[in-house]
Amino acid sequence: DAGVTQSPTHLIKTRGQQVTLRCSPKSGHDTVSWYQQALGQGPQFIFQYYEEEERQRGNFPDRFSGHQFPNYSSELNVNALLLGDSALYLCASSLFGQSTDTQYFGPGTRLTVL
Amino acid sequence: GEDVEQSLFLSVREGDSSVINCTYTDSSSTYLYWYKQEPGAGLQLLTYIFSNMDMKQDQRLTVLLNKKDKHLSLRIADTQTGDSAIYFCAERATVSGTYKYIFGTGTRLKVLA
Repeated sequence: DAGVTQSPTHLIKTRGQQVTLRCSPKSGHDTVSWYQQALGQGPQFIFQYYEEEERQRGNFPDRFSGHQFPNYSSELNVNALLLGDSALYLCASSLFGQSTDTQYFGPGTRLTVL
Repeated sequence: GEDVEQSLFLSVREGDSSVINCTYTDSSSTYLYWYKQEPGAGLQLLTYIFSNMDMKQDQRLTVLLNKKDKHLSLRIADTQTGDSAIYFCAERATVSGTYKYIFGTGTRLKVLA
């Protein structure tokens, strides 16, 4: 039973560039959430996707966008990268409507913006 | 506002018990979670507690919830060096009919041999 997978594991970009991060949810899960974890901080909620739609969004600018595919996998896109976007980006999956709605996290993608 | 607070550091000796504390603000939170993060890794779900419970035990882990004070704690019995990690408390808050997860800043646990 595959857990949550993310790619790539590491990424280096320069300011102003665009980046796409990918996530495959745990088998049987249909909901994907994305988080940004800056160094020394807890994860901050970016947005959540279910049924290929953005269901909820945290306090992140429109430069952060996403997509969910029919197979439940998801992408996070960040445009016009800033130095402050350097962080570990975590994807979490869950099963919508489950009473505990427990989220399982992937290993993350570490993005460095130079 | 939404805020989850934790102390930043905790150091214990191997074999002792560790207690990590957390306070949260959203009274609508129905579930509270503890996650563990080892260096360079994602978050591993350790345990969770439903808001109508005041205690949950799972092997070496005991979660205590004081809903009146919005205080959550995680006790690790017989702490081992492999327990050294960052521990995050998280609350699940209801926002516009859906759920939103709010994490604390994490407590770094160091276990001394």
